[in-house]
Amino acid sequence: DQQVKQNSPSLSVQEGRISILNCDYTNSMFDYFLWYKKYPAEGPTFLISISSIKDKNEDGRFTVFLNKSAKHLSLHIVPSQPGDSAVYFCAARRDSNYQLIWGAGTKLIIKP
Amino acid sequence: ETGVTQSPTHLIKTRGQQVTLRCSSQSGHNTVSWYQQALGQGPQFIFQYYREEENGRGNFPPRFSGLQFPNYSSELNVNALELDDSALYLCASSLDSGTGGKTQYFGPGTRLLVL
Repeated sequence: DQQVKQNSPSLSVQEGRISILNCDYTNSMFDYFLWYKKYPAEGPTFLISISSIKDKNEDGRFTVFLNKSAKHLSLHIVPSQPGDSAVYFCAARRDSNYQLIWGAGTKLIIKP
Repeated sequence: ETGVTQSPTHLIKTRGQQVTLRCSSQSGHNTVSWYQQALGQGPQFIFQYYREEENGRGNFPPRFSGLQFPNYSSELNVNALELDDSALYLCASSLDSGTGGKTQYFGPGTRLLVL
């Protein structure tokens, strides 16, 4: 049972435009969500997170939106830059449980 | 401040063998988690260690075991290797109270191939 789903294996976006990466989850007990970015041959690095008590969290060019009723979150990157090309993972956890449940990732390609 | 390091970077083993992977946590971090990432999938939680004690386990058989040392470095041991154990193994360290997860910092991983 895949509790966290990223249905787009890849996404191609023009440099300077907005990148929107989507993530769906099935477990309503999840109350904390994280986005990680991974370059080849490196471990994932934390990007941004959101608690279930919020519906938006912003950090520079990165904004995460959470729609609890739809069990959906999205990561917006504006403007997209070539260095943003990477695999992006969505992860979720219950605050009382340290386990992160991960999606399969979306490969973002920023075209010059 | 040193980051999370893992060794070796790559490893080839044959079915039935045993393997030990190593992880050095980020300075000051007392919690380490291990993940298995199969090709095309997200990382899957194996287990976590907090102050040298196993603090939780994912859906992995007992032939996956671990250790955390007083300096908070860690080992992942896998016995009786199977072909499906071929994956990238990631460790992540965090400064954690033990009552809940915090932001984890990942190492670059060890790529294990089982033939």
